Amino acid sequence: EIVLTQSPATLSLSPGERATLSCRASQSVSIYLAWYQQKPGQAPRLLIYDASKRVTGIPARFSGSGSGTDFTLTISSLEPEDSAVYYCQQRNTWPPLTFGGGTKVEIK
Amino acid sequence: EVQLLESGGGLVQPGGSLRLSCGASGFTFSSYAMAWVRQSPGKGLEWVSGISGSGDSTYYADSVKGRVTISRDNSKNTLYLQMNSLRAEDTAFYYCAKETREGDYPTLFDSWGQGTLVTVSS
Repeated sequence: EIVLTQSPATLSLSPGERATLSCRASQSVSIYLAWYQQKPGQAPRLLIYDASKRVTGIPARFSGSGSGTDFTLTISSLEPEDSAVYYCQQRNTWPPLTFGGGTKVEIK
Repeated sequence: EVQLLESGGGLVQPGGSLRLSCGASGFTFSSYAMAWVRQSPGKGLEWVSGISGSGDSTYYADSVKGRVTISRDNSKNTLYLQMNSLRAEDTAFYYCAKETREGDYPTLFDSWGQGTLVTVSS
């Protein structure tokens, strides 16, 4: 089973600042890494797939990069509505599909 | 607009059974693989099970294998999760999720329901 480790656990930043979230895989997942956003009381929402492809309708301030074992989700200029927990998920080697433990982004 | 609506959650005793349902609308249900993903309150996401569009192929997490059965009725646009021998650690919100691409494996999810809560407790 591929383990995904996300860091940091919590990120506290001000509006307009840049957020950098990391996801590290225990073995290569090629480019098959996705990012989801989950707000309190809501279901997850797909933001990025295949490491860097942004889903239609997702704001351009969200971008993804990486391949192999190291991946990054960047929010270039934080908006108040970006306050959420962000999860990475791999689909290169499954079952099982696996998710990271999440990074909570707090807006000061 | 894609809509997924889960039902069937509730309080059940350890060792009991429950069947979750997920009604789908807004897309050609039989053309898309589907999955169940759970989330214990305040915790992260855990993939539980997936099924192909036809229902011929099913996939399970080791944590539920042998206790859970995923199925679908394409004539009713409904996904199911039959859960038996429930344990306290199965307590979670259960989400149904739709695969992004038609005909693909259930591995990437662009639409999710709002979840149904399963509580396993005596």
